[in-house]
Amino acid sequence: GAVVSQHPSRVICKSGTSVKIECRSLDFQATTMFWYRQFPKQSLMLMATSNEGSKATYEQGVEKDKFLINHASLTLSTLTVTSAHPEDSSFYICSARVGLAGRRGGQFFGPGTRLTVL
Amino acid sequence: AQTVTQSQPEMSVQEAETVTLSCTYDTSESDYYLFWYKQPPSRQMILVIRQEAYKQQNATENRFSVNFQKAAKSFSLKISDSQLGDAAMYFCACKTGANNLFFGTGTRLTVIP
Repeated sequence: GAVVSQHPSRVICKSGTSVKIECRSLDFQATTMFWYRQFPKQSLMLMATSNEGSKATYEQGVEKDKFLINHASLTLSTLTVTSAHPEDSSFYICSARVGLAGRRGGQFFGPGTRLTVL
Repeated sequence: AQTVTQSQPEMSVQEAETVTLSCTYDTSESDYYLFWYKQPPSRQMILVIRQEAYKQQNATENRFSVNFQKAAKSFSLKISDSQLGDAAMYFCACKTGANNLFFGTGTRLTVIP
């Protein structure tokens, strides 16, 4: 299957700093990428959907100014957590969809990034 | 709006035995897809099995099969000959059209040696 990578896998930062997480589709072009957040022992909650070359669509309750998403190319999307605070500590997972519509659900997940804000 | 419900927060199975994980969903769309994902301790989400709603035949992937009851909006996962490596969180998910996946709350499966 298609491979999605995330970097870094783990990051610890001080409160008030910004952290950038990269998501790459390694062997396919992803017109759409998704960013999820997962709290311990909970399900994946969609934060935003990003399409290459356009602004991301954020889910209700997700602050777009805090979670900056850039999808500059068909193989790279970045999530920047600005002015991070301890409550932003979580596991962030990206997912990339194959094809324009992805009707058959060809959606592949990255290995996730654990963010800890001190 | 879509909802996906997994009513079993935790399940356990003896190694080599069979276990069924439950999932119900609700959607107003007629065209949709259902999935089971596995999330082992590594946290990597792995697609286990996929079912197209328009197909009556239940999907099967080796030891994994589903019981898709469209009228009841039920989509259970059966794992046969359970192995230690099957221990993980299992998420049921629904996808309509070009929309994103919508996940259930997950079932933690423990495999007892």
